Amino acid sequence: GQSLEQPSEVTAVEGAIVQINCTYQTSGFYGLSWYQQHDGGAPTFLSYNGLDGLEETGRFSSFLSRSDSYGYLLLQELQMKDSASYFCAVRGRAGKSTFGDGTTLTVKP
Amino acid sequence: GAVVSQHPSRVICKSGTSVKIECRSLDFQATTMFWYRQFPKQSLMLMATSNEGSKATYEQGVEKDKFLINHASLTLSTLTVTSAHPEDSSFYICSASPGGHNQPQHFGDGTRLSIL
Repeated sequence: GQSLEQPSEVTAVEGAIVQINCTYQTSGFYGLSWYQQHDGGAPTFLSYNGLDGLEETGRFSSFLSRSDSYGYLLLQELQMKDSASYFCAVRGRAGKSTFGDGTTLTVKP
Repeated sequence: GAVVSQHPSRVICKSGTSVKIECRSLDFQATTMFWYRQFPKQSLMLMATSNEGSKATYEQGVEKDKFLINHASLTLSTLTVTSAHPEDSSFYICSASPGGHNQPQHFGDGTRLSIL
């Protein structure tokens, strides 16, 4: 089976940098994804790591260490609109994705 | 970029009604699509894997006779919630991946199902 752990809540101020960690246990691994979900909406794809290292997409970056079964999402220059839930997800056997429980990010002025 | 379209976005109906939800990949072919369910303030739970041209694969605890999945073409999968009851009220979301298992999934906008 697969399981993921990520913090349940994170709070930060506008303009700050936030890192959301994700550790996982998996029986098969293709990659680690990050999704953003605002209340009432569907998950939106943010970033994907299939190999070790850092992927940068604008203000968002994601890191993966397969040997440590660990990854993180880094959000820079936080904006109020970044307040949302963030999910890490492992793509495993048969292409299935298992999601973490989500991290609620609150950005304060 | 990859786009997954899901319809309808919201359904409100009486108990006992069957509801069909469509998931389409708009600019790529998807031999596999996934159906998720999400309750308020909870994570996404995989219900089943929809396979084009063959039977869907259901996760443990998901009733296949309750949640009928048909993947008749490379761009369309449908989920039918049969004889829906209030406990079936949830947010249903489909996903597909344009590039295979080693690529991320992209989600439809979801269907909010409310059974009265």
